[in-house]
Amino acid sequence: DVKVTQSSRYLVKRTGEKVFLECVQDMDHENMFWYRQDPGLGLRLIYFSYDVKMKEKGDIPEGYSVSREKKERFSLILESASTNQTSMYLCASSSPRGIRETQYFGPGTRLLVL
Amino acid sequence: AQKITQTQPGMFVQEKEAVTLDCTYDTSDPSYGLFWYKQPSSGEMIFLIYQGSYDQQNATEGRYSLNFQKARKSANLVISASQLGDSAMYFCAMSQMNTGFQKLVFGTGTRLLVSP
Repeated sequence: DVKVTQSSRYLVKRTGEKVFLECVQDMDHENMFWYRQDPGLGLRLIYFSYDVKMKEKGDIPEGYSVSREKKERFSLILESASTNQTSMYLCASSSPRGIRETQYFGPGTRLLVL
Repeated sequence: AQKITQTQPGMFVQEKEAVTLDCTYDTSDPSYGLFWYKQPSSGEMIFLIYQGSYDQQNATEGRYSLNFQKARKSANLVISASQLGDSAMYFCAMSQMNTGFQKLVFGTGTRLLVSP
């Protein structure tokens, strides 16, 4: 079974703090993704990575950065957290298969920025 | 632009009954894929079923089937014989290739409640 794990289920941070969200997958997938999920908006793509040290912006990259130093690990960084970044963050991974590519998700991190 | 629409914010069904969750999509690309995911209260998105735009038959996976009507651009999820454990949020998503990479676009979800 595909296993995607995220470092924290719940996080509480203060405005201006630097926040790291970690994601690890054990299926040797090339692709990894970070989404945020907000009520009424569905999931929106922040960044994705198709290889080690490679990254591409998604639909809402502002205020975020990412790091992928190892194939199995993809980190999302909030350089200076703001209250509008309070959200559920979901990590996913997949193996490239064109339109049939299935993304497998982690359990999510609920981040509250005070 | 690609778009997924789920018009039912919430649905109720009794245990053992069938339920249909609606999904319509908008794209001008002839090649695309359609996915359904389940999200229980625990938060994890669980892949349920996939349908490709060129697939001739409707996809089925156990109690899940996808009612794909290409001309109407709809991809409704049918859950047969509902169980209490089916209570969750359900998301429809569409995949397309964008600059060589797959991109998933999600709908806003439908919350399903199964009652005893």
